[in-house]
Amino acid sequence: AQKITQTQPGMFVQEKEAVTLDCTYDTSDPSYGLFWYKQPSSGEMIFLIYQGSYDQQNATEGRYSLNFQKARKSANLVISASQLGDSAMYFCAMRENGYNQGGKLIFGQGTELSVKP
Amino acid sequence: EPEVTQTPSHQVTQMGQEVILRCVPISNHLYFYWYRQILGQKVEFLVSFYNNEISEKSEIFDDQFSVERPDGSNFTLKIRSTKLEDSAMYFCATTFSGGVAKNIQYFGAGTRLSVL
Repeated sequence: AQKITQTQPGMFVQEKEAVTLDCTYDTSDPSYGLFWYKQPSSGEMIFLIYQGSYDQQNATEGRYSLNFQKARKSANLVISASQLGDSAMYFCAMRENGYNQGGKLIFGQGTELSVKP
Repeated sequence: EPEVTQTPSHQVTQMGQEVILRCVPISNHLYFYWYRQILGQKVEFLVSFYNNEISEKSEIFDDQFSVERPDGSNFTLKIRSTKLEDSAMYFCATTFSGGVAKNIQYFGAGTRLSVL
């Protein structure tokens, strides 16, 4: 069964506006970690932000924040003040058994974000 | 800033040939992974490696694939007899094992494998 779902294949946002990229997940493990990665057209995978299942507060990293709603099993990425350089593919990923330091990541299908000038 | 280095960036090979993809992990990292991404699709886990042995592998990682860390620095993925469907971007990722819950996996820039 698919465990990470990103329902938006593509999104457009105007420069300087905020945008939310959706991610829902499914797991029966009480301990897990959620990650967002950015993949620009050059192909590399860049880590953006992490949320642990037991974290009390939503994670923030600069212009990135994670809207974590545990009961709804959603972990949406919010990018504030979009920049042209934010145009990329964004992947949501989960690691089950979050305190298993070596666990694999399971990725969603990705959302392609295009920032318009 | 330390980074994961992958070579080559692009590998073209004939079907049936062997290829070796190389990765130099971040120096104090102990867990190593290979993932692949077929063009336009999501990233898929292949294998994880810790303490010189495979920790976990996916159903994709069949007998045609192998991994090793031959010299304590390079981490390699070998595909013994390539098939057309092996054409993909292959990512190496590494993480530090230090009791920190998040243990971020840092990815290399990838090797694009094209099997003709």
